[in-house]
Amino acid sequence: QQQVKQSPQSLIVQKGGISIINCAYENTAFDYFPWYQQFPGKGPALLIAIRPDVSEKKEGRFTISFNKSAKQFSLHIMDSQPGDSATYFCAASTGQAGTALIFGKGTTLSVSS
Amino acid sequence: GAVVSQHPSRVICKSGTSVKIECRSLDFQATTMFWYRQFPKKSLMLMATSNEGSKATYEQGVEKDKFLINHASLTLSTLTVTSAHPEDSSFYICSARGFSGQPQHFGDGTRLSIL
Repeated sequence: QQQVKQSPQSLIVQKGGISIINCAYENTAFDYFPWYQQFPGKGPALLIAIRPDVSEKKEGRFTISFNKSAKQFSLHIMDSQPGDSATYFCAASTGQAGTALIFGKGTTLSVSS
Repeated sequence: GAVVSQHPSRVICKSGTSVKIECRSLDFQATTMFWYRQFPKKSLMLMATSNEGSKATYEQGVEKDKFLINHASLTLSTLTVTSAHPEDSSFYICSARGFSGQPQHFGDGTRLSIL
């Protein structure tokens, strides 16, 4: 499988701070980049996604920044809250019918109050 | 939003038992469903991809005779772990997508424990 490299593995942020998680990919055929949030014992939930024709997408406190030339994308969580404490996965796919997502290894975010 | 229901949420059974896990898309037609396996504090590992009415495509290293996948309708896929052993204990998660370009939506997973 083509890799998606995610960092950091874990992150501790104070309440109100900005959480930043980074991902890098290799396959230039990838054209769909979602972020998923997973709480313990639950399946991943789609948070936000971007396609390579835009460099940034914002939904509420969550922003994806995308750098096509560097083959990198990142998730920014503004005004981080304790309820944001979860594991976050970046992923990528070619977007074709039947093509599976390739996941990063995940980042465990802890937001301290 | 799109809802994917996975059942059961937890199974505990004896070694040698076969276990069936169901994955249903409740409010959309899932042309493609995916089955993942997740170990504690690890990422999701794709096991297989199934398109409705077709045989599943298994990832390298996944035994198709061990993990039987059926996707007989646009709203239901099943994963059967045959003759399960303790090493099959894991968190199994399905996801479903509609047509090309639509996002994947995940079920809440099934915690399988084989004694």
